[in-house]
Amino acid sequence: EAGVTQSPTHLIKTRGQQATLRCSPISGHTSVYWYQQALGLGLQFLLWYDEGEERNRGNFPPRFSGRQFPNYSSELNVNALELEDSALYLCASSLKVAASGNTIYFGEGSWLTVV
Amino acid sequence: AQRVTQPEKLLSVFKGAPVELKCNYSYSGSPELFWYVQYSRQRLQLLLRHISRESIKGFTADLNKGETSFHLKKPFAQEEDSAMYYCALSEGGFNKFYFGSGTKLNVKP
Repeated sequence: EAGVTQSPTHLIKTRGQQATLRCSPISGHTSVYWYQQALGLGLQFLLWYDEGEERNRGNFPPRFSGRQFPNYSSELNVNALELEDSALYLCASSLKVAASGNTIYFGEGSWLTVV
Repeated sequence: AQRVTQPEKLLSVFKGAPVELKCNYSYSGSPELFWYVQYSRQRLQLLLRHISRESIKGFTADLNKGETSFHLKKPFAQEEDSAMYYCALSEGGFNKFYFGSGTKLNVKP
């Protein structure tokens, strides 16, 4: 069974540009999460989508946005890129049914470098 | 509100020494606790979850509701245990996950 897949693996953008990152969840998973992992800062929660709806949002400015498609894949868009947006962006997925023991599974991440 | 706290950013131990990575949480309901590990150049992966009461790679973690802690322990650390460890909390019954800031474990030869 394929795990969470993300693309691109690496992305280099210049300040002010827009970046789009993509994520395909594990088959059968309807919840998708986005996290930012900047150097030395651990995991920062960005967004959570389920059934196409944004369910929760972390403490990030509005230029971080995303969406979830009918097939449950997801996009993360970062507008007006700033140097400090350089980080590893992790996508994770989980089952919709919030049952005991549910956990989330991570992709390998997309490295975004802003120059 | 900070739900998961990992007080140590870096923990260095010698091979064969016991290791304990601390995790404290704040949540009034029935949380579910997890430990995730990220080895160098690998994806973040689940190490263990409290409801399974399992031992994975020699690691164990016990949920202490009185102390609101979920510390990760291993009696004899190995060099291959060197990695970044994250404690995570899920609000029982809801798909909300909160991660601590992580502890980098460095096991020295």
